[in-house]
Amino acid sequence: SQQGEEDPQALSIQEGENATMNCSYKTSINNLQWYRQNSGRGLVHLILIRSNEREKHSGRLRVTLDTSKKSSSLLITASRAADTASYFCATGYSSASKIIFGSGTRLSIRP
Amino acid sequence: EAGVAQSPRYKIIEKRQSVAFWCNPISGHATLYWYQQILGQGPKLLIQFQNNGVVDDSQLPKDRFSAERLKGVDSTLKIQPAKLEDSAVYLCASSLQHSFSGNTIYFGEGSWLTVV
Repeated sequence: SQQGEEDPQALSIQEGENATMNCSYKTSINNLQWYRQNSGRGLVHLILIRSNEREKHSGRLRVTLDTSKKSSSLLITASRAADTASYFCATGYSSASKIIFGSGTRLSIRP
Repeated sequence: EAGVAQSPRYKIIEKRQSVAFWCNPISGHATLYWYQQILGQGPKLLIQFQNNGVVDDSQLPKDRFSAERLKGVDSTLKIQPAKLEDSAVYLCASSLQHSFSGNTIYFGEGSWLTVV
């Protein structure tokens, strides 16, 4: 399968702590995107990193990409209750002309 | 800017019945997607349109699912006849151009289908 796989499947942390989620994939990609999904809602785009980039920041989000290891990580710093959601990586393949979503990490922030 | 609109939000049908979902993408977006998301899983692409042409429908169960995007704007997804395993959220999404080149995909709120 070409899809990315997130790790861990579920993560529970205390409010204020940092949360790290990982995504691994199998074949060469054009780009990798991270999306958030609140319960019962659609997905919301968070950040995109291209295959020639190694790190990107957006507010409290930091994404890294290691193409040699075929993996990416999403770091959320100083977590808040509102960060409770599922997080998905989506890998873009020019060979397939589409992006493929992983199965997600369910993040719970404890007050 | 209006987002991706979907209807209905919720639908309960009996197996072997039919159902149709409607989607209106963001104005000007050439690419439209239908995803199926089963509880606890990531979205699975069913069909991708570029304007009114099909780019990818490799995972669409064509014996029961059909989709069209007449005039390259709004789209409908139909299931006939429905099976129990079709119970899922059907997400419509759109992007300016192909997502694999880095265009952000904007999702609707989804249509929740329960087949009993």
